[in-house]
Amino acid sequence: AQKVTQAQTEISVVEKEDVTLDCVYETRDTTYYLFWYKQPPSGELVFLIRRNSFDEQNEISGRYSWNFQKSTSSFNFTITASQVVDSAVYFCAFNYGGSQGNLIFGKGTKLSVKP
Amino acid sequence: DAGVIQSPRHEVTEMGQEVTLRCKPISGHNSLFWYRQTMMRGLELLIYFNNNVPIDDSGMPEDRFSAKMPNASFSTLKIQPSEPRDSAVYFCASSLSGPNVLTFGAGSRLTVL
Repeated sequence: AQKVTQAQTEISVVEKEDVTLDCVYETRDTTYYLFWYKQPPSGELVFLIRRNSFDEQNEISGRYSWNFQKSTSSFNFTITASQVVDSAVYFCAFNYGGSQGNLIFGKGTKLSVKP
Repeated sequence: DAGVIQSPRHEVTEMGQEVTLRCKPISGHNSLFWYRQTMMRGLELLIYFNNNVPIDDSGMPEDRFSAKMPNASFSTLKIQPSEPRDSAVYFCASSLSGPNVLTFGAGSRLTVL
């Protein structure tokens, strides 16, 4: 069965620090998709990124970057020069790539960025 | 598009009462999901519909929970009778079929006293 582990329950940093959120997944599938979602204090779930298992290129979007490594089954998320507005719970999620679209979520990492 | 619309946003009820949560998916999306979020269990899938047909309801906790999707633009999640342990935030999400991005509603926060 597929599983997503976010070992870091809570992380606290000071503004402008870089921070990496870890995500490790377990699967026997060869085709799968990985996602990151953000849940700010207001409570909504906001999509950040989707990657498929055949694309290991790292991706950068502004201060956000993602490192996908199949060899270690990891899909880590780095925020550079963190800001107070980055404070949120971040979820990593997995989809096995079949016809079903349901996501399996990790337990989330709560990031607090202090001024 | 207005996104996924959920109602009510907040519901406080007493144990034993019936609760109905509602969801309007994004027009054109043919997959709809109900998730529940609690501190203890995180985000867990309750049920998933594709083209209005329930595909996987293995996450529905027990017979007190039921979900329907009578048409492509509306779904309900009903709890009868409600219990304090049902207190949680219930999210509805929709997407196109397949491993696509799920768009979530704002959630319905349920408190059962």
